Amino acid sequence: ILNVEQSPQSLHVQEGDSTNFTCSFPSSNFYALHWYRWETAKSPEALFVMTLNGDEKKKGRISATLNTKEGYSYLYIKGSQPEDSATYLCAFTGGTYKYIFGTGTRLKVLA
Amino acid sequence: NAGVTQTPKFRILKIGQSMTLQCAQDMNHNYMYWYRQDPGMGLKLIYYSVGAGITDKGEVPNGYNVSRSTTEDFPLRLELAAPSQTSVYFCASSYGQEAYEQYFGPGTRLTVT
Repeated sequence: ILNVEQSPQSLHVQEGDSTNFTCSFPSSNFYALHWYRWETAKSPEALFVMTLNGDEKKKGRISATLNTKEGYSYLYIKGSQPEDSATYLCAFTGGTYKYIFGTGTRLKVLA
Repeated sequence: NAGVTQTPKFRILKIGQSMTLQCAQDMNHNYMYWYRQDPGMGLKLIYYSVGAGITDKGEVPNGYNVSRSTTEDFPLRLELAAPSQTSVYFCASSYGQEAYEQYFGPGTRLTVT
């Protein structure tokens, strides 16, 4: 059974703080690692897809890194804003067409 | 483009009833997926399809059936509803496999009592 773990489960930060969370995934049979942003009462929306060890992606204040050899990815948010409040999901694919999702990190940014 | 659409948005079923959750996409994606989301459990894959006429089981297929007669549509059928099927159901599609992002529908909230 393939497991994708995310930590922490939830966190609260103050507006302006920078924060980061972790996604751990199997280091064998790696194909791609996805990050999604999921706002309450909406659907998940893709942030990044990373396929190569050492990949770094950036979109505004949000960035992500990938280490396929040790099986982890970090998502960073610089200068958190209340509109960043959401659940951040990662998903692993390993050559089977299936996307294996973690349970997410729920971020609340306090104004 | 409407993207991925799902109907209905909400439904309450009695134990033993049947229903079909509809999913359609207008992006000409070959790959489509059905997930269920239970509190604290993340998204679990029920069934997926890599093209019209081709479907396969995901992690939690028991109690569900799917068909894919066209590229656009991927309905999910519940034959004998059970309380354990109370969940939020999401349909998703992607242009290609694995390294392509998934586009999600708005979800269907199903309660079985």
